[in-house]
This record gives sequence, C-alpha cells and structure tokens, in this order.
Amino acid sequence: DAKTTQPNSMESNEEEPVHLPCNHSTISGTDYIHWYRQLPSQGPEYVIHGLTSNVNNRMASLAIAEDRKSSTLILHRATLRDAAVYYCILRDRGTSYGKLTFGQGTILTVHP
Amino acid sequence: ETGVTQTPRHLVMGMTNKKSLKCEQHLGHNAMYWYKQSAKKPLELMFVYNFKEQTENNSVPSRFSPECPNSSHLFLHLHTLQPEDSALYLCASSQEFGGHSPLHFGNGTRLTVT
Repeated sequence: DAKTTQPNSMESNEEEPVHLPCNHSTISGTDYIHWYRQLPSQGPEYVIHGLTSNVNNRMASLAIAEDRKSSTLILHRATLRDAAVYYCILRDRGTSYGKLTFGQGTILTVHP
Repeated sequence: ETGVTQTPRHLVMGMTNKKSLKCEQHLGHNAMYWYKQSAKKPLELMFVYNFKEQTENNSVPSRFSPECPNSSHLFLHLHTLQPEDSALYLCASSQEFGGHSPLHFGNGTRLTVT
C-alpha cells in the first residue's frame, strides 16, 4: 500500500473550520483515499472516502488535489467532540486484500 | 453503537491462560478483520477473512489463532501470550473486500498480559 504523510498534531478553536492535510505522492490510479478518526478509548470511526472528485457527507468534506497527490479533510465547524486522532489511508481498489495500512495520524485538539 | 460489538471490553490474563476474544457484526458485511493497536504504534493488521475464508495472516505468531464460523462472527483465541502482547485488539468489518468499501470498527478489547 502507498504511504501517506500527515502532520503529527493540529489545533483548532471550537466552531471554526479545520483543514487536515494529507500527502500521498506515490498514490496509484486505483487507490481510494480514506479518512478515519479515533476518539479516546474507542475504535477508529469511518469519516469519508473518495477517488478523484471532492466528496461531502454529514461529517466532513474531502478535497482531493487534481493530481491526487494530496488531499484535505475539512471539518466545517469543529466541536469539542471532534478532538481525535485523524488517519488518512490509501486503499487499493484492485487489491485482493482489503487491508488498510494506518500511519501515526494527526492528533487534533479543539479548544473551547 | 458502531454495529460491530466486541467482548469483553477488558481482559487480564496470565501467560499460561487460554482466552478468546469475540467479535460480532449484524451489518451484513462479508469481510472481517483483526487489528492490534499497541501504545505509540500504528494499527497493525493481523488477520483478514472474506466470506468466512482466511485470506491473510500478516505474519502473526501462532499463539494467536483466529476463527470465523460465519460471516457475522469472528473470534481470536489466545494462548501462552507474552507481556508484549498487551494491547487494544480491534475487530472490523466491511461490506466487500474492495478498497472502496469502508471499514467499521468495534471499540476493541483492552488486553493485559501479566
């Protein structure tokens, strides 16, 4: 699986937008970009995923660069409950193994 | 409620004990996974099952033995573990095996080996 690079930590204030970046310069044409987050004492939670086009759902938006070598997870209005570790992962559409390789992720701190 | 239920939530066992971790999903998913999360380390994939068939064993020691009796249940049998096996063990499932199918995780079993 191709690797991703994320900042170790980021901070935000409550009710402000948060842009979490992810670099994946070795992404292949069949890799989906997945984002998960993990709150303390819980398992990872699926947030959003995309292939080429930007995606929106009730939790967040995913902006994918035109060359697909980077992406940004956008939380439109951060809340205290959004404080978590955020993981950006690439998952090959074509692989026979549906595995996800996790990195260290970005620790997001939200200040009241 | 994540749709994936793991029991027990916490487990303390000695190195000579035998115990089992249980995972259950009623999401109608066809693939199930075991992950290990140690302190300060990324999640490590251990085993993958697709339609009850094991498709990946990620070089896991034989003291960990998975079992998938049906698409809804997954077990991890533990025996003669080492203290370094203490970790959070996470179960996940996905609708399909392909990369477009998101994983749904349980909240894990916190295992302590004494």
